[in-house]
Amino acid sequence: EPEVTQTPSHQVTQMGQEVILRCVPISNHLYFYWYRQILGQKVEFLVSFYNNEISEKSEIFDDQFSVERPDGSNFTLKIRSTKLEDSAMYFCASTQPGPSGGNEQFFGPGTRLTVL
Amino acid sequence: DQQVKQNSPSLSVQEGRISILNCDYTNSMFDYFLWYKKYPAEGPTFLISISSIKDKNEDGRFTVFLNKSAKHLSLHIVPSQPGDSAVYFCAAAGGGADGLTFGKGTHLIIQP
Repeated sequence: EPEVTQTPSHQVTQMGQEVILRCVPISNHLYFYWYRQILGQKVEFLVSFYNNEISEKSEIFDDQFSVERPDGSNFTLKIRSTKLEDSAMYFCASTQPGPSGGNEQFFGPGTRLTVL
Repeated sequence: DQQVKQNSPSLSVQEGRISILNCDYTNSMFDYFLWYKKYPAEGPTFLISISSIKDKNEDGRFTVFLNKSAKHLSLHIVPSQPGDSAVYFCAAAGGGADGLTFGKGTHLIIQP
């Protein structure tokens, strides 16, 4: 069964450093997403991406964040200058809405980002 | 501002009985609702969804009920099995391919 994959599973970085989190969405999906979950809190939407551009973003997704689809399979989230509060699980998701408008998003296993 | 609320942080149910997980929402623009199951250190796994034009959707042991006037939905699992022990998240979207708004989750524990 096709699945969303993410690398790395765990990333440790120093405050102020840049990190790139990588995702391979399900191959026939056209909509891609990033979410995060700070420990003990709910899953929060960051950004959605379609047709090589951002279609929606939350207030969390400020100028230090960017997304890119560098090739036909990868989807990346870059955090330019990490802060302690960026420590969280980051989940990638993808979907291909059905004719009835369904929005079942399929999630990857996540990348745990630890900022020291 | 919690647009999707799951007021029970945890729920304990005996194996074989029915588990009922509840979710309330405040945003009238939501028209698609989903339930996800999550184990520790894994991503959310899609379980079942419902469009606002329906009031019930069933898939095997899982049934989701939607009461639009009350802005309330529930997930019924029957019969409950030990493997159902996990955190269950309610999520909502405005339609199309919008980002999902999640509740805080309910930790379901199935007792043998």
